[in-house]
Amino acid sequence: EAQVTQNPRYLITVTGKKLTVTCSQNMNHEYMSWYRQDPGLGLRQIYYSMNVEVTDKGDVPEGYKVSRKEKRNFPLILESPSPNQTSLYFCASSLRGDEQYFGPGTRLTVT
Amino acid sequence: AQSVAQPEDQVNVAEGNPLTVKCTYSVSGNPYLFWYVQYPNRGLQFLLKYITGDNLVKGSYGFEAEFNKSQTSFHLKKPSALVSDSALYFCAVRDRAGRRALTFGSGTRLQVQP
Repeated sequence: EAQVTQNPRYLITVTGKKLTVTCSQNMNHEYMSWYRQDPGLGLRQIYYSMNVEVTDKGDVPEGYKVSRKEKRNFPLILESPSPNQTSLYFCASSLRGDEQYFGPGTRLTVT
Repeated sequence: AQSVAQPEDQVNVAEGNPLTVKCTYSVSGNPYLFWYVQYPNRGLQFLLKYITGDNLVKGSYGFEAEFNKSQTSFHLKKPSALVSDSALYFCAVRDRAGRRALTFGSGTRLQVQP
């Protein structure tokens, strides 16, 4: 089954404790992206990647890092999480950056 | 910079009535336009897209959208609403010539009453 998977689905952590949210797709898509969803703000792009070893900042990249060492994986790294990074995070992939397939989301709470 | 506006936070409609969810956009060039739907506790699902060609685009679950270049709009429509259509709807745009990043609107909650 074609899908985008994210882990963990729920995470509660404390300020400053490094964490990684994994994202994997099995559709051989070149384009992958991370978004955060906050009430009233819709989805805002954090980082995107157009292929292996090619990443670029989205609209809200501060406080986040990504890597794309393999085509299927695109982990999101928060090296020193802060409470304003409490949000719902979505990973997405697509063949050409158009119709995107979204993962189920990761709800992160930073206390 | 590209942007999307969804002027209504919520749209209420009775089951069986037609529905419209509004979207206007701004891009520097020609747009790619999308509608996505989000059900509770789920990720976003693709509904339909406009790339080029016919201004009326048909998508999943009986939804359609009309591209209007002069009004820079891409409203989502359905002739007869179902209670199961109740969800959060997002419009998104990207510049055809620009970076491959989608810009999403803030979302419109559709509530269909039985």
